[in-house]
Formats: sequence, structure tokens, C-alpha cells
Amino acid sequence: SAVISQKPSRDICQRGTSLTIQCQVDSQVTMMFWYRQQPGQSLTLIATANQGSEATYESGFVIDKFPISRPNLTFSTLTVSNMSPEDSSIYLCSGGTFEKLFFGSGTQLSVL
Amino acid sequence: GENVEQHPSTLSVQEGDSAVIKCTYSDSASNYFPWYKQELGKRPQLIIDIRSNVGEKKDQRIAVTLNKTAKHFSLHITETQPEDSAVYFCAASSRGSTLGRLYFGRGTQLTVWP
Repeated sequence: SAVISQKPSRDICQRGTSLTIQCQVDSQVTMMFWYRQQPGQSLTLIATANQGSEATYESGFVIDKFPISRPNLTFSTLTVSNMSPEDSSIYLCSGGTFEKLFFGSGTQLSVL
Repeated sequence: GENVEQHPSTLSVQEGDSAVIKCTYSDSASNYFPWYKQELGKRPQLIIDIRSNVGEKKDQRIAVTLNKTAKHFSLHITETQPEDSAVYFCAASSRGSTLGRLYFGRGTQLTVWP
């Protein structure tokens, strides 16, 4: 399986601030995605992180709120901007090979 | 886009019994169907997957079946053990033969009682 490292593992933030989450994957990975998982809920795809170009966002997610970078094949960041309590969730980086998708350990975000 | 429905939302079984979780999907172009197990506070772990050119796949106590005509697939766990207790998610990928976006079901909380 692919090795996916994500940090921070958790953070508590104030309303109106921004948090950047980092994800490092090993070289087996070609595709990278960002998911959100609210407590007790399923996984919702935020966007596909495209190397060297703008991310592809799913319906309901916009670049101004969730800017994503992927400067090279193995690294990506997700920023949660201008946070509100509704952004409290677990954010998961994921990486895939041709066939399989693996997940990072997640970032548990609490917004006060 | 793809819509994945998963049932039941909760499932309790006695140790040693079998457990079955069922999912349906809407997009006939979907051709990759993984299952993930997520223990409390942990990341989702891929446990088994199946492609649309295969009807059934087994890995020890776990098996997955796929009915393309009916657009449903199922996870079967035999001889359940307490460590099988977790949330299980099914998913479908609708982007051709390469790994595309995965659409997840809502999850099934499986509890195995000793």
C-alpha cells in the first residue's frame, strides 16, 4: 500500500482564521484527492489535486474557501479559509495508484 | 454524478455468524468498487475491491459480489470476530479504467458481540 503522511493531526482554530494541511505521499501515487468526513458521516470528496495546475472541485466546494496546491507529484496542501464552526470536521488526504486509493491519517479540525 | 446507497446503516451479529452489507450504484459506467473498513479514530483502510469484469472475489473471510445488471454489490464477512467491529464503507468509481473519483456510501456500523 502507499505511504501517506498528513499533518497536523489535529488543530483547534479560531473563527475567521485559516489552516493549511499538508500531505506527503510516496512515489507510487499518481492521483491525489482531498476528502472531508464529518463526525459519524461518510467521506465527501472536496477536490482532485492536480499536479502543477488548479484543483478540480466537486459541487459545493470552491477554490476561495478550500485552496489546494500540488506543486509536485508527491506533495499537496489544502487550506481551509475564513473558518467557521461549520468547518469542524476531519479532513483526509488520499492518494491512488492506477487501481487503489489509500488515505492519510486525517486532520481533526475544531473551529471555535 | 454517481449515487451510492448502502444498507443497513447498523448491523449487529454474534461472533461466528456471517455479516452482509449491500450497496447499489446509479452510474452504469462505474467499473471499480472498493470496500473500506474504518475503526474508531483511524483512517479508512482498503480491505477488498472488485472490478466490473469480475462477479466475485474472495480474500480469506471476506468476499465481495457484483451484479452489474442490477447495479448492486455486496460485502460478505464469514466467521465474524470482535475485531471485525468497525464502520464499513462501499464506494464506486465512475471514471473509466483509471482511478477516478470515488463516491462513498453512508457507511455501516458493524458490531460483533463475543
